[in-house]
Amino acid sequence: KQEVTQIPAALSVPEGENLVLNCSFTDSAIYNLQWFRQDPGKGLTSLLLIQSSQREQTSGRLNASLDKSSGRSTLYIAASQPGDSATYLCAAQGDSNYQLIWGAGTKLIIKP
Amino acid sequence: EAQVTQNPRYLITVTGKKLTVTCSQNMNHEYMSWYRQDPGLGLRQIYYSMNVEVTDKGDVPEGYKVSRKEKRNFPLILESPSPNQTSLYFCASTQGNTGELFFGEGSRLTVL
Repeated sequence: KQEVTQIPAALSVPEGENLVLNCSFTDSAIYNLQWFRQDPGKGLTSLLLIQSSQREQTSGRLNASLDKSSGRSTLYIAASQPGDSATYLCAAQGDSNYQLIWGAGTKLIIKP
Repeated sequence: EAQVTQNPRYLITVTGKKLTVTCSQNMNHEYMSWYRQDPGLGLRQIYYSMNVEVTDKGDVPEGYKVSRKEKRNFPLILESPSPNQTSLYFCASTQGNTGELFFGEGSRLTVL
């Protein structure tokens, strides 16, 4: 059964730093790996989606990588800003159906 | 504008009083799903639907029902709510060719 783990659970860094959030999964038979952002009291916003055949995706200051063989994905945030403060969740989508298995999230605080 | 709309956004009810949370999407997506989010437990899938009249249980279906009579709507029904169903609920629809999820804003339900 797929399990998804996110480390660290919380992270606080000064504004301007580059940072990496980690996501690991136990079953490499995935359809895709998705990263989401959730602001307090709000819904989830899709940030990046990496198909199983891809190695990385980029959107602005965000870069997500996928290494299926090691069961890892990373979300790289460049030049962090206070507006990046949120909880970041990753989810692995199985290749036999559309069911997603979620990590518990990393709560990120960017200090001005 | 592409969106997933949930109603109500907030609801306080009492044990045993039937309620329905509606979900509608305007993207013509075939796949829709319901999640609940609880502190420390992350997101867990309740039910999903691959298409009209096709629904299936997720990880935590007990106490819930769903229906999919039209492609755009996927209501979540709590026939006899109990306090352990107090949670934040999210509806999502999935773009078929990529697997990308689009979430509603969430419905915070309190059962007294």
